[in-house]
Amino acid sequence: AQKVTQAQTEISVVEKEDVTLDCVYETRDTTYYLFWYKQPPSGELVFLIRRNSFDEQNEISGRYSWNFQKSTSSFNFTITASQVVDSAVYFCALSVYSTLTFGKGTMLLVSP
Amino acid sequence: DAGITQSPRYKITETGRQVTLMCHQTWSHSYMFWYRQDLGHGLRLIYYSAAADITDKGEVPDGYVVSRSKTENFPLTLESATRSQTSVYFCASSESEQAGNEQFFGPGTRLTVL
Repeated sequence: AQKVTQAQTEISVVEKEDVTLDCVYETRDTTYYLFWYKQPPSGELVFLIRRNSFDEQNEISGRYSWNFQKSTSSFNFTITASQVVDSAVYFCALSVYSTLTFGKGTMLLVSP
Repeated sequence: DAGITQSPRYKITETGRQVTLMCHQTWSHSYMFWYRQDLGHGLRLIYYSAAADITDKGEVPDGYVVSRSKTENFPLTLESATRSQTSVYFCASSESEQAGNEQFFGPGTRLTVL
């Protein structure tokens, strides 16, 4: 069975602070994919990134970066210089077959 | 380019009534999914479908029925709604069964069962 743990239920930061959202996953499969989705206050789910289990390179996209470490089964997400528009719920998810297993989400509140 | 749509967007019903939530996608994606989102639980898979007339249970299927007579539609029916089914329901689709395929989500349906 697959499991995703996002231990941080809620994080509050002040604008321009850096923030890291943690994601720990469990699976016995050697081939899998990890995802991050953003859910802004408007409610839709926005795809952010996909990473396969054979690619441990970190990725940077603008202010966003992801750190994938198979040794610790973690796929952490860092926002640099946070902005108010980053306020949202962020979900980490794991896919082994066609379905996604989501973590419970981390609510990020960025205040001005 | 409509993508994936859900209707209704909001629904209030009473305990014991039957409710059907609609999902329609215009991409001809093979796979479609239904999730429910509850505070403290994230998104949990209810049912999914690999193709027309092929459906399978997810993590929380009890109390729900699905059908898929056409590739583009995947309705979710609550045969006798209960208060515990108050939730936000998301439909999603993906191109194939490959694990890395992105799932595209609809806007969600907020269902309240009184």
